[in-house]
Amino acid sequence: GAVVSQHPSRVICKSGTSVKIECRSLDFQATTMFWYRQFPKKSLMLMATSNEGSKATYEQGVEKDKFLINHASLTLSTLTVTSAHPEDSSFYICSARPGTGPPGANVLTFGAGSRLTVL
Amino acid sequence: GNSVTQMEGPVTLSEEAFLTINCTYTATGYPSLFWYVQYPGEGLQLLLKATKADDKGSNKGFEATYRKETTSFHLEKGSVQVSDSAVYFCALSASNQAGTALIFGKGTTLSVSS
Repeated sequence: GAVVSQHPSRVICKSGTSVKIECRSLDFQATTMFWYRQFPKKSLMLMATSNEGSKATYEQGVEKDKFLINHASLTLSTLTVTSAHPEDSSFYICSARPGTGPPGANVLTFGAGSRLTVL
Repeated sequence: GNSVTQMEGPVTLSEEAFLTINCTYTATGYPSLFWYVQYPGEGLQLLLKATKADDKGSNKGFEATYRKETTSFHLEKGSVQVSDSAVYFCALSASNQAGTALIFGKGTTLSVSS
């Protein structure tokens, strides 16, 4: 089945530094990937939709200059948290689906997530 | 806009008890509905799905029926096990197009004791 891989799974950084998280679709091409943020004991908040070869679409309230998204190829999207602060500490999850098909056939597949801790 | 509301947890049950986690949705058109599960320390996994009214999704003893008239997709299991302890998320997708994200409920934590 479709597999989405994220790296790193955990990262600790100092306040003010930047951190890059990679999301790869391992066995399918994804023109679109989604980045979610999961807060402790809360649901997943959609941050942005990453589009291969074009700019990402950010959800309302998400700072595009802080959370830089680059979808460089059909199998790779990256999320860079710039000038990270402790309040950016969270669990970031990417997802993608293989593409269109019969209704319900192409289900969104999630990466295992990346836990960012900013000291 | 589209939204999902699910019952607040935590839900605490004894092994072999009956489980119901309520989920209702608001959406334009005819969304697809999903239940995802997140086990401790792991990523989200699809548990089951339904793509049209009256469809029943089922997996690992869990079931949910897409009820258009009540805009609901309640999750049920007849006899829970300790290994079912996890966070359960109800979600909807407005379409199956590649560019459509999932909208999630807030998640319900299930704790099953032996």
